[in-house]
Amino acid sequence: GQSLEQPSEVTAVEGAIVQINCTYQTSGFYGLSWYQQHDGGAPTFLSYNALDGLEETGRFSSFLSRSDSYGYLLLQELQMKDSASYFCAAHNDYKLSFGAGTTVTVRA
Amino acid sequence: NAGVTQTPKFQVLKTGQSMTLQCAQDMNHEYMSWYRQDPGMGLRLIHYSVGAGITDQGEVPNGYNVSRSTTEDFPLRLLSAAPSQTSVYFCASSYSSSGGQQETQYFGPGTRLLVL
Repeated sequence: GQSLEQPSEVTAVEGAIVQINCTYQTSGFYGLSWYQQHDGGAPTFLSYNALDGLEETGRFSSFLSRSDSYGYLLLQELQMKDSASYFCAAHNDYKLSFGAGTTVTVRA
Repeated sequence: NAGVTQTPKFQVLKTGQSMTLQCAQDMNHEYMSWYRQDPGMGLRLIHYSVGAGITDQGEVPNGYNVSRSTTEDFPLRLLSAAPSQTSVYFCASSYSSSGGQQETQYFGPGTRLLVL
């Protein structure tokens, strides 16, 4: 089966940096994605890593180490609107397996 | 483009009733999928399709049927609803990348289902 582990909650102040770690155990692994979901909303795509290394998209960056079965999402210059749940998701054989999600709360 | 649309937004069923959750996309995506999301949990894959006429099971397929007669539509059928199927259901679609992997999944707004 597939399993992904990520912290359940993170709290930080505006302007801070938050790192959300994700470890995975999955067969046929192709890549790791990250999604953001606000309360009551649909998940929206943030980033995808197929190769080892860092991918940067504005204030958000994502990292993957295939040898360690590990990735992280880095949220910089936190804003109140970044308060949401963040999910890592492993791609394998046309299927996507999601972690349970990390709730990020941004305080003023 | 409307993107991915889902109907209905909310539904209340009694145990044993059947219903179909509708999902449509206008982006000409080959890959479509259904997920359910329960409180405090991530999304779990129910069924998916890599193209018209092709479907396969995901992680939690029991109690659900799907079909894919067109590229645009991917309905999810509950044959005999049970309280355990109370959940939020999301449909998603994506391109099939050259590597056979789907990078960006576009999600619909979700259907909130309550089974009494």
